[in-house]
Amino acid sequence: GAVVSQHPSWVICKSGTSVKIECRSLDFQATTMFWYRQFPKQSLMLMATSNEGSKATYEQGVEKDKFLINHASLTLSTLTVTSAHPEDSSFYICSALTSGNTDTQYFGPGTRLTVL
Amino acid sequence: GDSVTQMEGPVTLSEEAFLTINCTYTATGYPSLFWYVQYPGEGLQLLLKATKADDKGSNKGFEATYRKETTSFHLEKGSVQVSDSAVYFCALSDRGDYKLSFGAGTTVTVRA
Repeated sequence: GAVVSQHPSWVICKSGTSVKIECRSLDFQATTMFWYRQFPKQSLMLMATSNEGSKATYEQGVEKDKFLINHASLTLSTLTVTSAHPEDSSFYICSALTSGNTDTQYFGPGTRLTVL
Repeated sequence: GDSVTQMEGPVTLSEEAFLTINCTYTATGYPSLFWYVQYPGEGLQLLLKATKADDKGSNKGFEATYRKETTSFHLEKGSVQVSDSAVYFCALSDRGDYKLSFGAGTTVTVRA
């Protein structure tokens, strides 16, 4: 149980285009999901908290207009990188928090974004 | 703010060797502590966790004890296998908002 998927697993796009990444909790409902960014050989950096039915909460320094987050259902959150540039190339990882009084996050396998 | 300091790698060991990865933390409250593992080409998986002082988390032969007096959560395994080769992340969750703060990660390579 507690499986989180991401789609696509990798994507290559041209500079200036937008890319949408999906994060799904496959066998549980998640009112809260998190989006992280991981640079090569570095740790994960929390970008934002995605709450079902409400606006996402962004960490300091993360541009909300560039990284659009939508959490339309209890099993799906999307991250859209708008007007992507080469510096946005990174590994994007989502996690989902199981409902109830628990603090365990389940992580997706990540999406490798390369902007040319 | 909350932070996690983790032993730098990479760490290279022979099979059946003893593994320790040091982790210390700074937090304003009483955090939950976690070890996550990332195998090559895969996403992060929860390895073990502890939610209060003196708790011991254990899984797959790995153990870590929540030491409030030393603000530490060191990961240990008595006899590693080649399949334990991965990146290990220490993390904490504080403030009741479940946000995770991660250490830098330690790459462990186990040789046959």
